[in-house]
Amino acid sequence: EAGVAQSPRYKIIEKRQSVAFWCNPISGHATLYWYQQILGQGPKLLIQFQNNGVVDDSQLPKDRFSAERLKGVDSTLKIQPAKLEDSAVYLCASAPGGSNTGELFFGEGSRLTVL
Amino acid sequence: GDSVTQMEGPVTLSEEAFLTINCTYTATGYPSLFWYVQYPGEGLQLLLKATKADDKGSNKGFEATYRKETTSFHLEKGSVQVSDSAVYFCALRPLGPGYALNFGKGTSLLVTP
Repeated sequence: EAGVAQSPRYKIIEKRQSVAFWCNPISGHATLYWYQQILGQGPKLLIQFQNNGVVDDSQLPKDRFSAERLKGVDSTLKIQPAKLEDSAVYLCASAPGGSNTGELFFGEGSRLTVL
Repeated sequence: GDSVTQMEGPVTLSEEAFLTINCTYTATGYPSLFWYVQYPGEGLQLLLKATKADDKGSNKGFEATYRKETTSFHLEKGSVQVSDSAVYFCALRPLGPGYALNFGKGTSLLVTP
C-alpha cells in the first residue's frame, strides 16, 4: 500500500515570495491533516480536512496560509507571502474517516527555508 | 488547551542500557495518548498508544502505561539498540470532534555501540 506522498521535499525561497506544497494521502483515507514542525519543536496542527470539508483551521494563519482539498483526495497548502518564521517542515498526514484508533499516517514532509 | 510535556533531549545511551523518556499531560477528561517515532530520514510513525487509564501500550520492546493519577505516559525500554536512535514524540488526542493530535517537542535519542 502506497504511503502519504508529499512534494516538493525541499524548497528555498526569499521572504515575501509564495510557495505551494502538495499532498496525496493514502487511498481511501477521508481525513487529511497539515502540520507545521519548526526545528526543535513538535508538529503543530495547521488544518484538518474531513473529505473536502474543513474540520479545524483555528491555528492556520489565514492572512498568509491557505489550504484546499477540492475533490476530497489531494491537498495543497500555500503560503503567500512567506516570512522568515515560516521556515519549517510541513507534514501531511492522513487517517481513515471515522477511525477511532488515533493513528495518523505521515508523509516524509516538505522542508521550507525562507531567506 | 490539552497538551503534553516531555523531557528535553538529547539523550545519549550505550547499547543495552535502560531507557526512560518522561511525558506528562494536561487535559480535560481522559484523552488517548500516543508515542510516535521519527527515524532519520523517515516520516513520523506510530510506536504505541493507550486509550484509557491503566492501559499499557507496547511495541518493539517499548512500553508505556497510561497513569491518570500522575497524568503521565512515560516511554520505557529495557535494553536499547543502536537502531533505536531516533526522535520520540509524545502525543495526545483531546476529547471532542475530530482526531487531531497535539504533540510534545520531541526527545532525541542516540544509542552508541
